[in-house]
Amino acid sequence: SQQGEEDPQALSIQEGENATMNCSYKTSINNLQWYRQNSGRGLVHLILIRSNEREKHSGRLRVTLDTSKKSSSLLITASRAADTASYFCATVIYGNNRLAFGKGNQVVVIP
Amino acid sequence: NAGVTQTPKFQVLKTGQSMTLQCAQDMNHEYMSWYRQDPGMGLRLIHYSVGAGITDQGEVPNGYNVSRSTTEDFPLRLLSAAPSQTSVYFCASSARRSGGNNEQFFGPGTRLTVL
Repeated sequence: SQQGEEDPQALSIQEGENATMNCSYKTSINNLQWYRQNSGRGLVHLILIRSNEREKHSGRLRVTLDTSKKSSSLLITASRAADTASYFCATVIYGNNRLAFGKGNQVVVIP
Repeated sequence: NAGVTQTPKFQVLKTGQSMTLQCAQDMNHEYMSWYRQDPGMGLRLIHYSVGAGITDQGEVPNGYNVSRSTTEDFPLRLLSAAPSQTSVYFCASSARRSGGNNEQFFGPGTRLTVL
């Protein structure tokens, strides 16, 4: 079953704007990961946030995790056309060695 | 390093045919896994391995077999292809046995069509 569910599922923004995506999940997790997939390519890891962390940054990316609400958000600041991609969240539950991916969130950045 | 490589890139099969999708990694990673990606479904785990000689089932294992005789290779076998197996298949690896808890490195994918 799908653990992560991203919202919104499609987003279109102008270059330079910020893009925010949310991910919700149902069971307690060990960690949550965000991946990017460019059209026709494999997935690329962006950030991993553990259940005892609340926020992480990587360049223009900011990820938050709220375990009480079972949700995470990915913020891309000052978006670029190259950020056009699908973004997936994936969760790992305690005692499990497997990632469960959400359905993905398509982001289009208009130059 | 080539990272994670997959062959072939594209494949068309007829119903009932068998084939093997190849996956190799040159990073000495212990954890390897296979996913399928279908439109609107995200990625679903088929099988995974935490080291040579050790494999386990994922979310959608039916119709697929795997083996892990070496650290580098993790082939996925379709025993009798069905149209429902039309999908894009991704192989991924991770450095440690607790691969689900670490960054995954993905291959470029194999696009399979079953007629």
